[in-house]
Amino acid sequence: KAGVTQTPRYLIKTRGQQVTLSCSPISGHRSVSWYQQTPGQGLQFLFEYFSETQRNKGNFPGRFSGRQFSNSRSEMNVSTLELGDSALYLCASSSLAGPGANVLTFGAGSRLTVL
Amino acid sequence: DQQVKQNSPSLSVQEGRISILNCDYTNSMFDYFLWYKKYPAEGPTFLISISSIKDKNEDGRFTVFLNKSAKHLSLHIVPSQPGDSAVYFCAASSNSNYQLIWGAGTKLIIKP
Repeated sequence: KAGVTQTPRYLIKTRGQQVTLSCSPISGHRSVSWYQQTPGQGLQFLFEYFSETQRNKGNFPGRFSGRQFSNSRSEMNVSTLELGDSALYLCASSSLAGPGANVLTFGAGSRLTVL
Repeated sequence: DQQVKQNSPSLSVQEGRISILNCDYTNSMFDYFLWYKKYPAEGPTFLISISSIKDKNEDGRFTVFLNKSAKHLSLHIVPSQPGDSAVYFCAASSNSNYQLIWGAGTKLIIKP
């Protein structure tokens, strides 16, 4: 079956602009999580959506937002871009709805460069 | 407050030998621990997991050991192969909150 698809794979923006990233989860997966990875840093959790509801949120400013649609596809938006927002943004999907090991399947990521 | 710590940023191992990657945690409420592997420009891929009720889980060349009293887990790779060169992340979660808490990662380099 198809994996997690993220678009676009690469993009360049300038400071002050906004960006929208898209993620299509594995068919049947209702949970979508977003992570930010910067050089030398681990995976920083942004937020998680389950059945169109934000279930968990990380410690990022309000410029970072997301949503999930009824078909489980998700988007994240970053407004008023800053140089420090340059990173690899990873989306992951999961079928976990209850207790258990939350095995995430990641997409290849969207590489954002802010100039 | 880092609940999951991988204190070694990098590790170099000779091909064919054993690679041991370590992870420490502070939250005794974690129920599951997972290891992921990440190549450059790709998303992490799931390797192996262990429940807190077990102390060992094995899958081929990969074995994860859990020491709950020490709040420590380790991933053993035997024998190490060149394709194992990657960044390895340790992650943990509890049944009360599905969110994975991640370590900073350890870069494993397998020398020929």
